[in-house]
Amino acid sequence: RKEVEQDPGPFNVPEGATVAFNCTYSNSASQSFFWYRQDCRKEPKLLMSVYSSGNEDGRFTAQLNRASQYISLLIRDSKLSDSATYLCAVKRGSYIPTFGRGTSLIVHP
Amino acid sequence: GAVVSQHPSWVICKSGTSVKIECRSLDFQATTMFWYRQFPKQSLMLMATSNEGSKATYEQGVEKDKFLINHASLTLSTLTVTSAHPEDSSFYICSARASGRAGEQYFGPGTRLTVT
Repeated sequence: RKEVEQDPGPFNVPEGATVAFNCTYSNSASQSFFWYRQDCRKEPKLLMSVYSSGNEDGRFTAQLNRASQYISLLIRDSKLSDSATYLCAVKRGSYIPTFGRGTSLIVHP
Repeated sequence: GAVVSQHPSWVICKSGTSVKIECRSLDFQATTMFWYRQFPKQSLMLMATSNEGSKATYEQGVEKDKFLINHASLTLSTLTVTSAHPEDSSFYICSARASGRAGEQYFGPGTRLTVT
């Protein structure tokens, strides 16, 4: 089993829709969790860290479920500009984060 | 946020030649930089961890003699792909971890290497 797994998608949704994707991790000792956004042929950019209590940033909500070992990203009121690949990253202590392969989101008019 | 630059942004070279890619942290000092490779529709694969003033730590399966890493200063790391072959064509991305910003990595814009 891979350390970090994501459904590659693509998730194809209309503008204004709510979409959510999960990222599962295999190491229960993982401590830090992140969502990154990567546009085509660009570098990943940190979207948000994921805190134990869950956190929200505008239309984006991230949650952590330690019991089931997954993190989620919810996007409300999708915009065309949200089309991108969303990578999750999982980290143990000072270890280097491990990235999932990403979930592709396509928002259409 | 912190800024990391990479140069060149894209390069085309002939098989058998060597290519050097630079990664710079522009507004912070990075004692540790990371080099990743990403093939189309694949995840970021860590190649090596570069520590200022010491030898790089390579991930399993990455040839250290083929991918030479030098981290000569707190703001510059270089990756040299020696004797490049078409299978080395990929997107190479560096990242840097700033002191005191635990867990956050700042990525360079990436270098697209095409070996013909």
